[in-house]
Amino acid sequence: GDSVTQMEGPVTLSEEAFLTINCTYTATGYPSLFWYVQYPGEGLQLLLKATKADDKGSNKGFEATYRKETTSFHLEKGSVQVSDSAVYFCALSGSNFGNEKLTFGTGTRLTIIP
Amino acid sequence: SQTIHQWPATLVQPVGSPLSLECTVEGTSNPNLYWYRQAAGRGLQLLFYSVGIGQISSEVPQNLSASRPQDRQFILSSKKLLLSDSGFYLCAWSRGQGVSGNTIYFGEGSWLTVV
Repeated sequence: GDSVTQMEGPVTLSEEAFLTINCTYTATGYPSLFWYVQYPGEGLQLLLKATKADDKGSNKGFEATYRKETTSFHLEKGSVQVSDSAVYFCALSGSNFGNEKLTFGTGTRLTIIP
Repeated sequence: SQTIHQWPATLVQPVGSPLSLECTVEGTSNPNLYWYRQAAGRGLQLLFYSVGIGQISSEVPQNLSASRPQDRQFILSSKKLLLSDSGFYLCAWSRGQGVSGNTIYFGEGSWLTVV
């Protein structure tokens, strides 16, 4: 079945540092890939997504590129801020028509210190 | 615009008591609806999803059930809670008539502690 493996945390960085959170997946066909973010005490919000190979999703300075050859969707940001502290989830949805059920990674907790 | 609400936000229930979490979506029709659970220190697990009124699919066997009495209402229930039911429950929706890659939107979540 489908699965997502993401970098285990917690990750602690200083403000303005470069961020990479690794995510790899296993799926049949051509899944869509997502990054969701969960701020403390809140539900999940979509951060960015990519629906086909070589697509780059971007939002709020975060980027991730759909790499089919390496089955990866790594999240990056050039300069993190304290407000980026949150839990980040990588996820995929199956490629079957009508199948929008998300398979999530276990999440990576990111803490940014001033 | 579309919005999703779920309640209650927080509840503490004794073992063996019943549970009812409710979720409603506004601003769209015939959505796909989902219940996820996030256990402490773990990822998100899909519990139930629904593509229409009265149509419920269960992803994992468990002590919980779901119902969809109206197009935009999704209810998570239990007759007798277990300690292992504690967690963060998230309702979510996506546009129906499934198109691969549709975004799933989440509610604010409900914290359940079974004591």
